[in-house]
Amino acid sequence: SQKIEQNSEALNIQEGKTATLTCNYTNYSPAYLQWYRQDPGRGPVFLLLIRENEKEKRKERLKVTFDTTLKQSLFHITASQPADSATYLCALDPHTGTASKLTFGTGTRLQVTL
Amino acid sequence: ETGVTQTPRHLVMGMTNKKSLKCEQHLGHNAMYWYKQSAKKPLELMFVYSLEERVENNSVPSRFSPECPNSSHLFLHLHTLQPEDSALYLCASSHGEGLVGTNEKLFFGSGTQLSVL
Repeated sequence: SQKIEQNSEALNIQEGKTATLTCNYTNYSPAYLQWYRQDPGRGPVFLLLIRENEKEKRKERLKVTFDTTLKQSLFHITASQPADSATYLCALDPHTGTASKLTFGTGTRLQVTL
Repeated sequence: ETGVTQTPRHLVMGMTNKKSLKCEQHLGHNAMYWYKQSAKKPLELMFVYSLEERVENNSVPSRFSPECPNSSHLFLHLHTLQPEDSALYLCASSHGEGLVGTNEKLFFGSGTQLSVL
């Protein structure tokens, strides 16, 4: 069966360090992979999308890699700040049809401390 | 503000009640979605509408009934729910034009926190 795993339920790091979150998947052939941020009591907010033919994508302090051979994506936040504390979700979409059919991982809760 | 508004934010209902969740998007999108988020579980896709036509129904019990009267509005009608249906119900929208790229990112509302007693 199709499965998405995010490496850990929670990750604690010190301010200024780089946070690295992992998303592994099995029995999928996704056209692209997305990362979202979710704060408590709110809906997820889109951060980055990376396509199957792209190796790396960057946006400000965020970097995403996508290895379709390893079936893995890494999400990095450099120079992390307490405001980066949130749950981060990865999501996959086989991209068939006119609407997304994203499947989400359980998320990793990131806590950045001073 | 994501452009997707959900009401109510919180709902408490008994197992015999009938209630409806409402979602409205002001983004001109063609696709709308209902997701369920339970504690410690990933978001579960429930229903997908593209151009007001239901294109996905992920084996959701019939006590959940979606309605999409136009491309800006989406409802989820609830009746005879069970306590295990208590969860955060999230509505989302996307361009829905079948294009690969940022067009297919989802815009979520803040959700309705549902408690079934």
